[in-house]
Amino acid sequence: EPEVTQTPSHQVTQMGQEVILRCVPISNHLYFYWYRQILGQKVEFLVSFYNNEISEKSEIFDDQFSVERPDGSNFTLKIRSTKLEDSAMYFCASSFKGQGNYGYTFGSGTRLTVV
Amino acid sequence: EDKVVQSPLSLVVHEGDTVTLNCSYEVTNFRSLLWYKQEKKAPTFLFMLTSSGIEKKSGRLSSILDKKELFSILNITATQTGDSAVYLCAVEAQPRGDSSYKLIFGSGTRLLVRP
Repeated sequence: EPEVTQTPSHQVTQMGQEVILRCVPISNHLYFYWYRQILGQKVEFLVSFYNNEISEKSEIFDDQFSVERPDGSNFTLKIRSTKLEDSAMYFCASSFKGQGNYGYTFGSGTRLTVV
Repeated sequence: EDKVVQSPLSLVVHEGDTVTLNCSYEVTNFRSLLWYKQEKKAPTFLFMLTSSGIEKKSGRLSSILDKKELFSILNITATQTGDSAVYLCAVEAQPRGDSSYKLIFGSGTRLLVRP
């Protein structure tokens, strides 16, 4: 069964450092997303990406965040200057035209710890 | 403000019991409602519901949507210890145009099935 792959599975970074979280969505999917889940809290939408541009973003997704699809397969989330409150599990997801019998497929997540 | 509310927050049952998990929502630009199972990391897809009154079934799990009353239920019959997980309800919204999609998650119901 096709998978969304995320790397690394766990990243520890110092406050103020930049991090890049990487994702390989399912190959025929057209829509890509980042979500995050702070420990013990809800899964929260960050951003959706379609046709090489951001199609929707949340209030959380401020200027310190950016996304990119640098080639035909990778989808990245960059956090420019990490803060302690950025510590969370970050999930990448992809979908085919935003609908389908299989909904959205999520990756296994990257646990980001900012110290 | 869009919201998705799940109840109960947690549930402890014995193997063989039947459980009903609830999800109510107030979301503008509703497109669909999805159920996910989250064990350790990534949410795994269970159901996607778009039409009222049509039950979706997969083995011992079933789900139905009521778009008039704005809720959905997820039923699990003959529960097993392997059903222990957090069950997430998410509503897909389409705030702007064809390419704009996002999922709004509830807090989840933590189900523990004891032997």
